[in-house]
Amino acid sequence: DAKTTQPNSMESNEEEPVHLPCNHSTISGTDYIHWYRQLPSQGPEYVIHGLTSNVNNRMASLAIAEDRKSSTLILHRATLRDAAVYYCILNTDKLIFGTGTRLQVFP
Amino acid sequence: DTGVSQDPRHKITKRGQNVTFRCDPISEHNRLYWYRQTLGQGPEFLTYFQNEAQLEKSRLLSDRFSAERPKGSFSTLEIQRTEQGDSAMYLCASSQLAGGRDYFGPGTRLLVL
Repeated sequence: DAKTTQPNSMESNEEEPVHLPCNHSTISGTDYIHWYRQLPSQGPEYVIHGLTSNVNNRMASLAIAEDRKSSTLILHRATLRDAAVYYCILNTDKLIFGTGTRLQVFP
Repeated sequence: DTGVSQDPRHKITKRGQNVTFRCDPISEHNRLYWYRQTLGQGPEFLTYFQNEAQLEKSRLLSDRFSAERPKGSFSTLEIQRTEQGDSAMYLCASSQLAGGRDYFGPGTRLLVL
């Protein structure tokens, strides 16, 4: 299964943009890039996913490198409720989670 | 869309007992997944179904674990002869398409004493 590499933790101030990086150098042509986040004592929550083109939704934007070997999740204005563990996952037929990036947001 | 539900939300049992968890996916979703999550770790894939067929089982799923999805709707995960190492959050997810968005339930937290 293809793997991803993420920083263990990141910090942001409230209302600032946050860029969460992910490396996936072994990605194959059919792997979708998915992002989920998980708050304490809750199940993971879908954030966004894409294949080749950049994607936007109400929660975030996903910027995918041209060679698809890396991607960046962008939270345009972090709020305290965005504090969570963010997982970058290559999804073919199942999700293989890594340890994710723990995002701290300071008021 | 009522979401994925899991029952029970919490279970405390004694070592050696059998436990069974239930997952009700979103009604039109063909795929159903089970994951296990221990403290400080990301969820680990256990098994998944497409309709009633169990298509893949992780090596993490020992002989004491069995999962079923008899009519292609709800699923059960049974753990026989529980061990303290089975203490974890058991998560269920469903999706319509391979590679598409997965919807997770709230999980069942198991504590084996």
